[in-house]
Amino acid sequence: QSALTQPASVSGSPGQSITISCTGTSSDIGAYNYVSWYQQHPGKAPKLFISEVSNRPSGVSSRFSGSKSGNTASLTISGLQAEDEADYFCSSYTGHSPAFGGGTKLTV
Amino acid sequence: QVQLVQSGAEVKKPGASVKVSCKASGYTFTNYYIHWVRQAPGQGLEWMGWINTNTGNTNFLQMLQGRVTMTRDTSITTVSLELNSLRFDDTAVYYCARGWLPWSGMDVWGQGTTVTVSS
Repeated sequence: QSALTQPASVSGSPGQSITISCTGTSSDIGAYNYVSWYQQHPGKAPKLFISEVSNRPSGVSSRFSGSKSGNTASLTISGLQAEDEADYFCSSYTGHSPAFGGGTKLTV
Repeated sequence: QVQLVQSGAEVKKPGASVKVSCKASGYTFTNYYIHWVRQAPGQGLEWMGWINTNTGNTNFLQMLQGRVTMTRDTSITTVSLELNSLRFDDTAVYYCARGWLPWSGMDVWGQGTTVTVSS
């Protein structure tokens, strides 16, 4: 059982926007601005897409954005493209270690 | 370029030990922590622990305490993960990943090492 809760799946059509939620507690997401999001394609290593709630590493499209409210973080993808179809994992610092969400499969 | 290159796949019997290495290049090795994250077949990501490559200090997932060891050799910029008393549910892809601080995002990942525990 993952420490952070994500929906198992979300779907959208090309060009649409979707949001993936990541729910934690006041001891992790609610306490720290150290939420990250990772994209993983089948058979590949995860790739960092968002760090510190809303920061995009160099090379990540501006179509990806992150936010946080209370104990819930969110990843929004606008202008969906076929290549966005993948698994997405959130992660938060818990005060002593990182923890991951169970992952969300995005179908485009 | 910045990269982490891991050792090859392993097949082990229950009760045995496995050691996976992670060779860093393209950056100052001791400026970054190395995390180990594993992913069982069809499952999500599980953080296992980190090592401070400068001091050698470690922090492990509590449920792995006593079975896991992480070491680093700064002369060859390599971190190693050793997992003992292997069980069937240790079957997973094991990744090393770089982080500036223990709580920061993991910005560079190794290619993964498949460890299969089978009798």
